[in-house]
Amino acid sequence: GAVVSQHPSWVICKSGTSVKIECRSLDFQATTMFWYRQFPKQSLMLMATSNEGSKATYEQGVEKDKFLINHASLTLSTLTVTSAHPEDSSFYICSAYPGGSEAFFGQGTRLTVV
Amino acid sequence: QKEVEQNSGPLSVPEGAIASLNCTYSDRGSQSFFWYRQYSGKSPELIMSIYSNGDKEDGRFTAQLNKASQYVSLLIRDSQPSDSATYLCAVRGSNDYKLSFGAGTTVTVRA
Repeated sequence: GAVVSQHPSWVICKSGTSVKIECRSLDFQATTMFWYRQFPKQSLMLMATSNEGSKATYEQGVEKDKFLINHASLTLSTLTVTSAHPEDSSFYICSAYPGGSEAFFGQGTRLTVV
Repeated sequence: QKEVEQNSGPLSVPEGAIASLNCTYSDRGSQSFFWYRQYSGKSPELIMSIYSNGDKEDGRFTAQLNKASQYVSLLIRDSQPSDSATYLCAVRGSNDYKLSFGAGTTVTVRA
């Protein structure tokens, strides 16, 4: 089956620093990648949609200058949380969509900002 | 009104029983419907997808779709303790590729 590799699986950073999360589709090309955030005991909330070579589309309420998304190739998208604060601590999940019906999820990244 | 709503949990069933999960959606033009299982601290994993009205069976799982009622359900037969997880209903909208997720229903299977 299709594999999406997300790295790192967990990260602890100091408040005010930036953290980059990578999402790679290993055996397929993803025309679209999605980034979600999930707080404890809540569902997945879509943050942004990115298409290769174009600017990401952010959902309402998501700060595009804080959550930088780069989709430089059909197999790689990155999410950078800039000037992280404790309220940014969450579970971040990427999803790669090759077209068709199914999207494939990465393993998720647990971000803790101290 | 939320786009995707699931029946409130948590749902506790004895081992071997049937767990029934329900989901309604607001976008009448939606064509793709998914059930994901998510264990605590893990990413969601797809267990069922359904696109046409009626039933779709895969092992102990049966998904049911009724587009007229904008309703999709998941039955888990012969529930096992390993089925204890949160089940997320997801719907792909009619205008784009985005998935909208329900809040999830937490299922506990009692041994």
